[in-house]
Amino acid sequence: AIQLTQSPSSLSASVGDRVTITCRASQGISSALAWYQQKPGKAPKVLIYDASILESGVPSRFSGSGSGTDFTLTISSLQPEDFATYYCQQFNTYPPYTFGQGTKLEIK
Amino acid sequence: QVQLVESGGGLVEPGGSLRLSCAASGFTFSDYYVSWFRQAPGKGLEWVSYISSSGSNIYYADSVKGRFTISRDNAKNSLYLQMNSLRAEDTAVYYCARGHTWFDPWGQGTLVTVSS
Repeated sequence: AIQLTQSPSSLSASVGDRVTITCRASQGISSALAWYQQKPGKAPKVLIYDASILESGVPSRFSGSGSGTDFTLTISSLQPEDFATYYCQQFNTYPPYTFGQGTKLEIK
Repeated sequence: QVQLVESGGGLVEPGGSLRLSCAASGFTFSDYYVSWFRQAPGKGLEWVSYISSSGSNIYYADSVKGRFTISRDNAKNSLYLQMNSLRAEDTAVYYCARGHTWFDPWGQGTLVTVSS
């Protein structure tokens, strides 16, 4: 199965900061990657799919890039509602679908 | 609006069984693949199983193969997960989600606790 490794595992930042989260695949996955946001006690919500396409209704401060094995999720200016855990997920080779271990974004 | 609602979770003893349901609304359920995922307390997301729109293609994670059975009833807009021979490590919030590449939306989840 393809393994996804996110970095960092946790991150402290302030409102207004620019934040980047990285996801590295154990083998090439083209652009078959999605990013999710999950708040405590809530279900995951897709933010980006096909590595860089913003899901409808998601604020434009979120962006994704990358292809092959290296991907990034960038939040251009953190808002209070962005503090959450973020997961990447690959769909190039399935089953199984695999997720990164998550990045917890906390308020500094 | 497009919505998925899970039910059927609860406390069950090791070796026991439980059946989860997922009710879909706001979209043509029979047009979509759907999947089950789970999240153990304080842990990350794990894909469990998916079923194609017609029910003809089914896959399971190795961790549940032979113990869990996914099914759907398109006439009732419903997805199911029959879980047998439950183990402590199956304790998790179980989510259903639409799709077979990326997944959207997800239900709110139902908690399954396997403990004596």
